[in-house]
Amino acid sequence: RKEVEQDPGPFNVPEGATVAFNCTYSNSASQSFFWYRQDCRKEPKLLMSVYSSGNEDGRFTAQLNRASQYISLLIRDSKLSDSATYLCVVNRGDSSYKLIFGSGTRLLVRP
Amino acid sequence: DAGVIQSPRHEVTEMGQEVTLRCKPISGHDYLFWYRQTMMRGLELLIYFNNNVPIDDSGMPEDRFSAKMPNASFSTLKIQPSEPRDSAVYFCASSNRDRGLANYGYTFGSGTRLTVV
Repeated sequence: RKEVEQDPGPFNVPEGATVAFNCTYSNSASQSFFWYRQDCRKEPKLLMSVYSSGNEDGRFTAQLNRASQYISLLIRDSKLSDSATYLCVVNRGDSSYKLIFGSGTRLLVRP
Repeated sequence: DAGVIQSPRHEVTEMGQEVTLRCKPISGHDYLFWYRQTMMRGLELLIYFNNNVPIDDSGMPEDRFSAKMPNASFSTLKIQPSEPRDSAVYFCASSNRDRGLANYGYTFGSGTRLTVV
């Protein structure tokens, strides 16, 4: 079993749509969770951290369910510029600085 | 803040040649990571350093790969001899413990796209 699993997509949605991505992780000791965004042929960039109580940043909302070892990302009012690959990321466990990246979910937002 | 700087951006080399990838982390960051990204395997952690000391190299694929960090502002990843299956994008990333991993994660460089023919 992979340490971080994501649906590869692609998710093809119209502008203005709401889209949600899910991710599961295998290590119950993981303490840090993130969503990264990666544009084609570019480096991954931090989109947002994911906190236990859930958190929101503009159109983006992240949720964490520790019991189910599940992370989600919700994007509201999708823009063309949201088209990218979204990587779910968790640390190896406890205070480890090793981040494990999922393979990513590709999002295509069409006009 | 200049960000994480990697060089070269692109490298094309022949099988059997030595390849050296370079990375300058963000000033003040005490963690440095080397990742490799391919379509088949995604992003894989190869090795990481803390305060210039290698902490975990369990992701280094084989003895042909080596990494060094002679000082806080420079790291190299060397492949000798290179093989076609080493073709990938190699990313360097850095982080700062004082800022807190939970909030800030890593900052990645732009990557080196390696092609071994």
